[in-house]
Amino acid sequence: KQEVTQIPAALSVPEGENLVLNCSFTDSAIYNLQWFRQDPGKGLTSLLLIQSSQREQTSGRLNASLDKSSGRSTLYIAASQPGDSATYLCALRTSGSRLTFGEGTQLTVNP
Amino acid sequence: SQTIHQWPATLVQPVGSPLSLECTVEGTSNPNLYWYRQAAGRGLQLLFYSVGIGQISSEVPQNLSASRPQDRQFILSSKKLLLSDSGFYLCAWDKTGGWGYNSPLHFGNGTRLTVT
Repeated sequence: KQEVTQIPAALSVPEGENLVLNCSFTDSAIYNLQWFRQDPGKGLTSLLLIQSSQREQTSGRLNASLDKSSGRSTLYIAASQPGDSATYLCALRTSGSRLTFGEGTQLTVNP
Repeated sequence: SQTIHQWPATLVQPVGSPLSLECTVEGTSNPNLYWYRQAAGRGLQLLFYSVGIGQISSEVPQNLSASRPQDRQFILSSKKLLLSDSGFYLCAWDKTGGWGYNSPLHFGNGTRLTVT
């Protein structure tokens, strides 16, 4: 059974700092890995998707990496802004229909 | 572009009452459709998914059911709500591409259900 862990559960940083969010998983037999952000009371917004054959994806100030051998993915956020404050979740697709989600990291960027 | 609509945004229902939540997707055809539940302080739980009209797979046995009467419409229902049904319900869609690759999963804005 795939288990997904996101540490830390919460993170508070000053504006402008570069930061890394972590996602660990136990089963490397995945189709892809996706990072989402969730604002309070809202649905999840897709940020980046990395296929199992890829090592990283970039979108603006975000960069996500995937290392299947070590069971890790990281989401790098450059020059953080208060608008980046949200909960960030990673999810692994282990079959056509099934995604396993982490519990998320709640990020607060202080002005 | 594709959009997903989910309503209502919030709902307060008494125990034992019926439930119907609706989700529609625009701008694509034959999507995979999903219902997830997010309980307070917990992760997302997959409830149902559908790969086509009338095709529903249940992940968790419970008093909820799902239906897909049209290609881009997904409905979550219950005949009698329980207190434990309270939570944040999210509809999502994606597409299955070649070589088994899926497109990113996209979520609606969710329905906050409180059963009293």
